[in-house]
Amino acid sequence: AQSVTQPDIHITVSEGASLELRCNYSYGATPYLFWYVQSPGQGLQLLLKYFSGDTLVQGIKGFEAEFKRSQSSFNLRKPSVHWSDAAEYFCAVGPPGDYKLSFGAGTTVTVRA
Amino acid sequence: DAGVTQSPTHLIKTRGQHVTLRCSPISGHKSVSWYQQVLGQGPQFIFQYYEKEERGRGNFPDRFSARQFPNYSSELNVNALLLGDSALYLCASSFLLAGRDEQYFGPGTRLTVT
Repeated sequence: AQSVTQPDIHITVSEGASLELRCNYSYGATPYLFWYVQSPGQGLQLLLKYFSGDTLVQGIKGFEAEFKRSQSSFNLRKPSVHWSDAAEYFCAVGPPGDYKLSFGAGTTVTVRA
Repeated sequence: DAGVTQSPTHLIKTRGQHVTLRCSPISGHKSVSWYQQVLGQGPQFIFQYYEKEERGRGNFPDRFSARQFPNYSSELNVNALLLGDSALYLCASSFLLAGRDEQYFGPGTRLTVT
């Protein structure tokens, strides 16, 4: 069975500072990996996805993530955070080519001025 | 183009009642998935439908059922509601059953069971 762990429940970061959100997964092979963002009262928006190939993935809104097979990790990064990045972030894993995703519990990001 | 739409936006029900939630996928999308997101947790997969057939089911009791219509819209039904069914119910659509394209999520239906 697949599972996802997001070790950080809540992260506070200053505007302009860098951000890194951790994600560890459990899966028998290389899964499809995703990061989603959810603003209050909103649905989920896909930030980026990894299927295969280059382990550094670029997404929208200046986010990137790096797949590390040896660590079963898919951490999300942003070099300079904007106040609008305050939201909840979810890492998800799915069997290759399948949309039955398993999500982590999420990390809430607060941005302080 | 319109995104995934869900109705109603909010719903309050009493324990033991039945509820029907509706989802309209993006035009041209044939696959619809349903997720339950309990407050403070990540979404959990409930069902996936493609071309009107159930193609996947998560670990949910038989009180949960769904169907997909010829126009690819979908309904999620929950019988004998429990307090623990209170959650945000998300619908997601995609063009394919499986592949490398993206799932698009709707804004969700907030269900409160009292």
